[in-house]
Amino acid sequence: DTEVTQTPKHLVMGMTNKKSLKCEQHMGHRAMYWYKQKAKKPPELMFVYSYEKLSINESVPSRFSPECPNSSLLNLHLHALQPEDSALYLCATAGTGGGEQYFGPGTRLTVT
Amino acid sequence: GEDVEQSLFLSVREGDSSVINCTYTDSSSTYLYWYKQEPGAGLQLLTYIFSNMDMKQDQRLTVLLNKKDKHLSLRIADTQTGDSAIYFCAEKTDSWGKLQFGAGTQVVVTP
Repeated sequence: DTEVTQTPKHLVMGMTNKKSLKCEQHMGHRAMYWYKQKAKKPPELMFVYSYEKLSINESVPSRFSPECPNSSLLNLHLHALQPEDSALYLCATAGTGGGEQYFGPGTRLTVT
Repeated sequence: GEDVEQSLFLSVREGDSSVINCTYTDSSSTYLYWYKQEPGAGLQLLTYIFSNMDMKQDQRLTVLLNKKDKHLSLRIADTQTGDSAIYFCAEKTDSWGKLQFGAGTQVVVTP
């Protein structure tokens, strides 16, 4: 099974809302990633979790708060976002050392 | 500037071969990848190559790696309209699996 699922598929939120993005995998991978992708640009790494511990935070603003409750789930909690945070948010997973990274379909986020 | 560079656009006729080129700068890269992204979708891992290999073939896809020149290419044989997408080259830059992506090559397949 090489599937990574993400919910919701689309999300529209106001600048005062709190929402969460979810990512799930059942590949037994122990590395999980959040990326942000703006239109016509490559993905930009936000966070890396390895064995459920945050390993890399790429200087992401605190209005984005990641969480890894177990080895299959990765959440991204959103609060007080800005319109410029509108983007496609992609989750990815990989085996130890991040060899083959598999991406989910993404959540299209619009901040109004 | 970017550590991974790709040409931005490629137009190819259906049935022809496509070749997408990429150059990278990190000589310690262990994995190099090709991802495909269709409109509104996530990234699909097409293929990857270890840095100690020169070539990898997988059905219609052939990856060539020239480590001396830090040049990677993806050849798609018998290109189909379903191959129209953005193709990203990426290198793995550290042990955590951080990927450095190129800007992406928009491939348009014409009948």
